[in-house]
Amino acid sequence: GQQVMQIPQYQHVQEGEDFTTYCNSSTTLSNIQWYKQRPGGHPVFLIQLVKSGEVKKQKRLTFQFGEAKKNSSLHITATQTTDVGTYFCAGHSTSGSRLTFGEGTQLTVNP
Amino acid sequence: KAGVTQTPRYLIKTRGQQVTLSCSPISGHRSVSWYQQTPGQGLQFLFEYFSETQRNKGNFPGRFSGRQFSNSRSEMNVSTLELGDSALYLCASSRSGGPTEQFFGPGTRLTVL
Repeated sequence: GQQVMQIPQYQHVQEGEDFTTYCNSSTTLSNIQWYKQRPGGHPVFLIQLVKSGEVKKQKRLTFQFGEAKKNSSLHITATQTTDVGTYFCAGHSTSGSRLTFGEGTQLTVNP
Repeated sequence: KAGVTQTPRYLIKTRGQQVTLSCSPISGHRSVSWYQQTPGQGLQFLFEYFSETQRNKGNFPGRFSGRQFSNSRSEMNVSTLELGDSALYLCASSRSGGPTEQFFGPGTRLTVL
């Protein structure tokens, strides 16, 4: 079945440093979504990418979808303490409607 | 517009018992998906319902079941509980399922003793 892998599992940064999490799928995806889950909270949708090579920005966050539509990345510039949480990627395969989540990257930011 | 609601928020059961969790989606949303989240794990997909029909099913044993009602509210049931079923159970709703944004509820924290 479809697998979505995400690295790193944990990332500790000093406030102001950059952060990147990577997502790789075993199959071609029709889309990739990113969610953020704050400690003790539930996942909240951040963005969806659907086109090969697509890049989208939300303030300090930059999302990329690979040319082959099998990988994606989320980059945060100059992290802030409000960025703390676990970032999940999730994708629909081209053959199904089920959304498969990666294991997530837990980000901690030291002030 | 009210968000996704889940009841109960916390539940403690013993091995062998069964449990029913409830999820009310956002008004107008017809797709409800259920996920199991354990510490250090991602979200493991349980099943998705759309218009009262199970559209997708994850790789969980038959002890896990669900249903959806005509008002789109959904329930999931776990029978013969095991210690490993302790987890946060999240439901998410979307307008039509598929490649659209999912809105998650706060989850039900199930502890099996």
